[in-house]
Amino acid sequence: GESVGLHLPTLSVQEGDNSIINCAYSNSASDYFIWYKQESGKGPQFIIDIRSNMDKRQGQRVTVLLNKTVKHLSLQIAATQPGDSAVYFCAENYNQGGKLIFGQGTELSVKP
Amino acid sequence: KAGVTQTPRYLIKTRGQQVTLSCSPISGHRSVSWYQQTPGQGLQFLFEYFSETQRNKGNFPGRFSGRQFSNSRSEMNVSTLELGDSALYLCASSLWSYTEAFFGQGTRLTVV
Repeated sequence: GESVGLHLPTLSVQEGDNSIINCAYSNSASDYFIWYKQESGKGPQFIIDIRSNMDKRQGQRVTVLLNKTVKHLSLQIAATQPGDSAVYFCAENYNQGGKLIFGQGTELSVKP
Repeated sequence: KAGVTQTPRYLIKTRGQQVTLSCSPISGHRSVSWYQQTPGQGLQFLFEYFSETQRNKGNFPGRFSGRQFSNSRSEMNVSTLELGDSALYLCASSLWSYTEAFFGQGTRLTVV
């Protein structure tokens, strides 16, 4: 079936370190990907997106890398801060309008 | 610019009842999607509306329905509630499909 899977369900990092959250997607036809951050009691917050015609996209302290050969997506967070602690989801879209397929999520915990 | 607004934030209903949830998208956004989030199933797509037309539907029973009004506001309805319908229901809006989707805070539905 449809699936976007995350390799690690939990990730613990030290404040100031860089974090890398990984995601594998199953549909090679997917051409739009989004990373979301969800804090407890809140809706998912848009972080960054990337289209399949790109390999890399940078935002403020975040970078998304897309490897279409192995159907892999990653989110890099530089200088991770306690406020980055949350669950991170990747989502894919493949020619189905506004339908996003979400991964299971990775919980990021930042130790001070 | 106001974000996506969902009402109510919390709801408790009894099995067999029906419920209507409301979503006001970001001004100017024409696409509204609905998702169900549960600990066991994660984030699952319910349906998407664009210009008052349902464009995509997820794998949910017919008890789940929705609609979109001319001002892009959307409602979803669940009839004959079951215990398993207890979840966080999230609405996302985007300018068009295939663009950044922004989520509301969600409506926490508890069925007892």
